[in-house]
Amino acid sequence: ETGVTQTPRHLVMGMTNKKSLKCEQHLGHNAMYWYKQSAKKPLELMFVYNFKEQTENNSVPSRFSPECPNSSHLFLHLHTLQPEDSALYLCASSQDQQNNEQFFGPGTRLTVL
Amino acid sequence: RKEVEQDPGPFNVPEGATVAFNCTYSNSASQSFFWYRQDCRKEPKLLMSVYSSGNEDGRFTAQLNRASQYISLLIRDSKLSDSATYLCVVEEGYGQNFVFGPGTRLSVLP
Repeated sequence: ETGVTQTPRHLVMGMTNKKSLKCEQHLGHNAMYWYKQSAKKPLELMFVYNFKEQTENNSVPSRFSPECPNSSHLFLHLHTLQPEDSALYLCASSQDQQNNEQFFGPGTRLTVL
Repeated sequence: RKEVEQDPGPFNVPEGATVAFNCTYSNSASQSFFWYRQDCRKEPKLLMSVYSSGNEDGRFTAQLNRASQYISLLIRDSKLSDSATYLCVVEEGYGQNFVFGPGTRLSVLP
């Protein structure tokens, strides 16, 4: 099993849909992250969880709702998204926030119609 | 003002060349620094952390100058497989915020 997995790999949804992105890490890490990568823009950090507690929310709109039920799993719940939310959503993990070399999953490519 | 800036690129170099990338950051309180590489349509992969004293990993050398808020990556003896986008990453506030640069694209040509 690879270190960080994400499902689905591709997702197309309408603006009124509700969907969830899933991330799972098999590295025994304690910190997990959600990033957004839009075309022609740098990666943007969205949320940080350390030992299941959310420690950072980078002014992300409430239509994105993270959930971290345990140190191995991270979800991003999506609701009433906008077309400009179309992007690659990347999950990453690190040992913890101090030992913070991050390992990324393959991402979910999201298209909002 | 952008928080992390990188050489705009792209860099097109022949195999065997030496190439250097520069990165500057604006937050003097930044704590950790990294170089990642990202292949087309793939996730970023950690290349190396950057330590104050500078560090080397095979053909790759990273340097940090805190006074000038500047990070560099040197690649010697470029290989075709080094073709990728190189991302400078700066961590602020003890794991609270990771700021990625826009990346510099490298193409190593045969």
